[in-house]
Amino acid sequence: EIVLTQTPGTLSLSPGERATLSCRASQSVSSNYLAWYQQKPGQAPRLLIYGASSRATGIPDRFSGSGSGTDFSLTISRLEPEDFAVYYCQQYGSSPRTFGQGTKVEIK
Amino acid sequence: QITLKESGPTLVKPTQTLTLTCTFSGFSLSTSGVGMGWIRQPPGKALEWLALMYWNDDKRYRPSLKSRLTITRDTSKNQVVLKMTNMDPADTATYYCANVAPGHYSDYWGQGMLVTVSS
Repeated sequence: EIVLTQTPGTLSLSPGERATLSCRASQSVSSNYLAWYQQKPGQAPRLLIYGASSRATGIPDRFSGSGSGTDFSLTISRLEPEDFAVYYCQQYGSSPRTFGQGTKVEIK
Repeated sequence: QITLKESGPTLVKPTQTLTLTCTFSGFSLSTSGVGMGWIRQPPGKALEWLALMYWNDDKRYRPSLKSRLTITRDTSKNQVVLKMTNMDPADTATYYCANVAPGHYSDYWGQGMLVTVSS
């Protein structure tokens, strides 16, 4: 089973600032099948990025994903008020699919 | 437009079997490359993938829960059912169903439903 470790656990930033979230896999993610999700309280996760770097439909271009192999990152170029949430990475290249433990982006 | 919705009991007793149904629309589970999965999230904790099945009836389970899980489908009703046996209070969580697109990622999720395990 691939273990995904997300850092930091919490990111305290102000609106307008840049956020960089990290996701490290315990072994190489097949075909870079790595997704990022955003989750707000009481809501289902929302797909932001798939295939490590492809934005999902309707996702603003301030969200970008990068990386390959075992190291991946999600960047939010300028935080909007609605971006404060918990973010999860997930690998879907091998079974069982696994999620990271999440990074909370909170208002400083 | 793709939609998914979970249904089932919100409260189960320890040792009972949980049966959850995901009713979906906007796609067919008979289409090549398509799948459906179940994910759960204990209160305040991270997401955990439980099971998924593909259009060709290939089924995958979380290894630590494999002995307790069964995923089935009713193609005529556009439903996927998850059964989890021997429920424990540690299984209290919000349970989600999600699609698996031909690209293998999940871009549509149900709203989720909280299942509480308590006597």
